[in-house]
Amino acid sequence: NAGVTQTPKFQVLKTGQSMTLQCAQDMNHNSMYWYRQDPGMGLRLIYYSASEGTTDKGEVPNGYNVSRLNKREFSLRLESAAPSQTSVYFCASSPTSGGSHTQYFGPGTRLTVL
Amino acid sequence: RKEVEQDPGPFNVPEGATVAFNCTYSNSASQSFFWYRQDCRKEPKLLMSVYSSGNEDGRFTAQLNRASQYISLLIRDSKLSDSATYLCVVILNTGGFKTIFGAGTRLFVKA
Repeated sequence: NAGVTQTPKFQVLKTGQSMTLQCAQDMNHNSMYWYRQDPGMGLRLIYYSASEGTTDKGEVPNGYNVSRLNKREFSLRLESAAPSQTSVYFCASSPTSGGSHTQYFGPGTRLTVL
Repeated sequence: RKEVEQDPGPFNVPEGATVAFNCTYSNSASQSFFWYRQDCRKEPKLLMSVYSSGNEDGRFTAQLNRASQYISLLIRDSKLSDSATYLCVVILNTGGFKTIFGAGTRLFVKA
């Protein structure tokens, strides 16, 4: 099992450009999440998907959109990148069944917006 | 006030030392608690769950104090490989489940 995979690992964008971060999990988990991590701020939830076909806003959704393409895949899109979106982005998944809330993270995408 | 607060550190300790981290949470609807470990430039990984009665996993002991709304992590006989950031994680049950991560406590174990 690969667990949670993310692409790309690194990306540099210019202000105003768009891009999509890809995430996939092979653990048959119901829930998937997108976080950003900034120094001193901890992980902040951008969007999450409790199950295939549903998505909900997290703490910091502005400037982002998501798609839960199927049970395996959950993508994050930046329509018009801004320097404030420079961050490390982590995707995670969780079974959320049987009372388990453990989240499994992908390796992250380091995004710089110039 | 942040919902989950941790001392950012860094904690600098020699090998073999015992070190303890605390984490406080503000919402009494907090239901489940975890410690995650994050190595430099890597993703967070589950270290251990925290149970009401306290639990131990080798050199690591986690405790929960619901009355005072804090959890703790104790590391005995520190190893160089314990150097990492330790994240406190709280699950709220407010109709739906919400996961809140603390900002983390950095630990450096030196030879």
